Amino acid sequence: DTEVTQTPKHLVMGMTNKKSLKCEQHMGHRAMYWYKQKAKKPPELMFVYSYEKLSINESVPSRFSPECPNSSLLNLHLHALQPEDSALYLCASSQEGSFETQHFGDGTRLSIL
Amino acid sequence: DQQVKQNSPSLSVQEGRISILNCDYTNSMFDYFLWYKKYPAEGPTFLISISSIKDKNEDGRFTVFLNKSAKHLSLHIVPSQPGDSAVYFCAASGHGGSQGNLIFGKGTKLSVKP
Repeated sequence: DTEVTQTPKHLVMGMTNKKSLKCEQHMGHRAMYWYKQKAKKPPELMFVYSYEKLSINESVPSRFSPECPNSSLLNLHLHALQPEDSALYLCASSQEGSFETQHFGDGTRLSIL
Repeated sequence: DQQVKQNSPSLSVQEGRISILNCDYTNSMFDYFLWYKKYPAEGPTFLISISSIKDKNEDGRFTVFLNKSAKHLSLHIVPSQPGDSAVYFCAASGHGGSQGNLIFGKGTKLSVKP
């Protein structure tokens, strides 16, 4: 069982919908991450939160809006997505500091109609 | 251009034999390397890591070797078991792993046949 929990596991939405992906960890980790993974491709970093502050935004379009309400939760708000945004969205967390190991959730499979 | 390369998309090995998965990188600033294993419909699971100050790290059946001069690392699994069948991702980070900016390879699908 993964220690990083992501909900929902699957999401189908239209291009005009607004939805949110949720991620939760209770390992006391202070860094949390969103990755996007397309089929047959490696995960690609989208955002990094460190101590609940956004520290990295890898030039992600504004239709993706991350939020870190507290040290255990990480959300990804979605609005006006495009069909090419269909992918597996992975959340990860790690202890802060050097040589950290990231622990991943099982992901949310997102399909945009 | 890919900074982390796994040139073998797939590998098939007989149960009990050694599996060797390879990874090359181009960025000399990388100083921490990790291997993740991924089953279908699950997220990547951390397997083993190595920092650039070492050339070998061992954990049970899994050993990672790092050759900094060749910018190459490999994961050895011995003996291989059918449950090891999964996609293996090599990942690298720089600047002491700070900010957690992991760069992943494309993965190698390992099949261990009974």
